[in-house]
Amino acid sequence: QVQLVQSGSELEKPGASVKVSCKASGYTFTNHDMNWVRQAPGQGLEWMGWINANTGNPTYAPGFTGRFVFSLDTSVSTAYLQINSLKAEDTAVYYCTSHIAVDQDFDYWGQGTLVTVSS
Amino acid sequence: EIVLTQFPATLSLSPGQRATLSCRASQSVSSFLTWFQQKPGQAPRLLIYGASNRATGIPARFSGSGSGTDFTLTISSLEPEDFAVYYCQQRSHWRTFGQGTKLEIK
Repeated sequence: QVQLVQSGSELEKPGASVKVSCKASGYTFTNHDMNWVRQAPGQGLEWMGWINANTGNPTYAPGFTGRFVFSLDTSVSTAYLQINSLKAEDTAVYYCTSHIAVDQDFDYWGQGTLVTVSS
Repeated sequence: EIVLTQFPATLSLSPGQRATLSCRASQSVSSFLTWFQQKPGQAPRLLIYGASNRATGIPARFSGSGSGTDFTLTISSLEPEDFAVYYCQQRSHWRTFGQGTKLEIK
């Protein structure tokens, strides 16, 4: 069955970097783009952008350019989200999600990774 | 950017009642409108895609309607497990989410 399994919670200091992983299984990884969604504590969902799992080409939503980097390692069917120069306002749960059985709609989600930025 | 406005922000109902949640887009999104359900501590769950198509495993009491700028998610008879936050999302131009409607037990 399709699964997206994310790495565990992270606690980082302002100015540091963090890399969140999302390991996919149960489908052909390179056939389906991977998207990232942010949810700040007590807030709604924000779409961050996506990475073409076939070409590795990333597309960033407005507001997520510069410090956010999407990448892949297709040899282990894993997508990554790296956040550089962390700020307190980056504290959030980050989800990977993809459209596997439903064309272009997010039908599979990772369990979420909490990133806490605090000095 | 297409802005989605959901209303009401909070809906207080009892099990067995009918719930009607609304989502309005700042410009037409055709039928590229999706509904998700999110419970505390869980990832969102796909409910409705293409404005009116139920995702696999979603009970028939959930239905979606609308096109263009005005959309509705209806839950015909609330079950205890339906109390959650509901988000709409458009994928007509990039992707944006509404701010959510919290469906709470009255």
